[in-house]
Amino acid sequence: AQKVTQAQTEISVVEKEDVTLDCVYETRDTTYYLFWYKQPPSGELVFLIRRNSFDEQNEISGRYSWNFQKSTSSFNFTITASQVVDSAVYFCALSEPGSARQLTFGSGTQLTVLP
Amino acid sequence: EADIYQTPRYLVIGTGKKITLECSQTMGHDKMYWYQQDPGMELHLIHYSYGVNSTEKGDLSSESTVSRIRTEHFPLTLESARPSHTSQYLCASRRQGLAGGGGEQYFGPGTRLTVT
Repeated sequence: AQKVTQAQTEISVVEKEDVTLDCVYETRDTTYYLFWYKQPPSGELVFLIRRNSFDEQNEISGRYSWNFQKSTSSFNFTITASQVVDSAVYFCALSEPGSARQLTFGSGTQLTVLP
Repeated sequence: EADIYQTPRYLVIGTGKKITLECSQTMGHDKMYWYQQDPGMELHLIHYSYGVNSTEKGDLSSESTVSRIRTEHFPLTLESARPSHTSQYLCASRRQGLAGGGGEQYFGPGTRLTVT
């Protein structure tokens, strides 16, 4: 069975601090995809990144970076120099290839960035 | 950029009323999804569709029903709303990934439903 665990329910940081959101997954598939989504207070989910299981290179996009480690089944997300606008709930998700149901979501991490 | 729309954005309705939540996408995606979510909490899949005339129930039992008569349209209906249906409903559609399973889902803005 597929499972995504985001152990950090809430994180609070002060602006300009770096923050890492943890994501641990379980799957029996050898081919799978991992995702991060951001949900600001307005409610919509915004797609941030997709990573496939064969690509363990870390990725950086501006202040965002992602660390994918198959050895520990983790796909952690770091925000550098956090800003108030980063305040949101962040969801990690895992895909089920070949199934239309596709995404298994974690329970989310509420990030609050204080000015 | 994803083009997926949901109406209404907010709805307050009395118990027993029939409601339809609209979802449309202009990206030509075959697969569409409905999720139910309490604010800031986990998303629960309640319905999904492979394509026209194909619908399936998701992981969370729901009293709602869906239809998929056109590719771009995936409405969700509650025949008789109850206070327990109060929640946010998110619609999504999926881009076809390179290996058939890796396409990300794009979400609409959601409908916040309150049943009084």
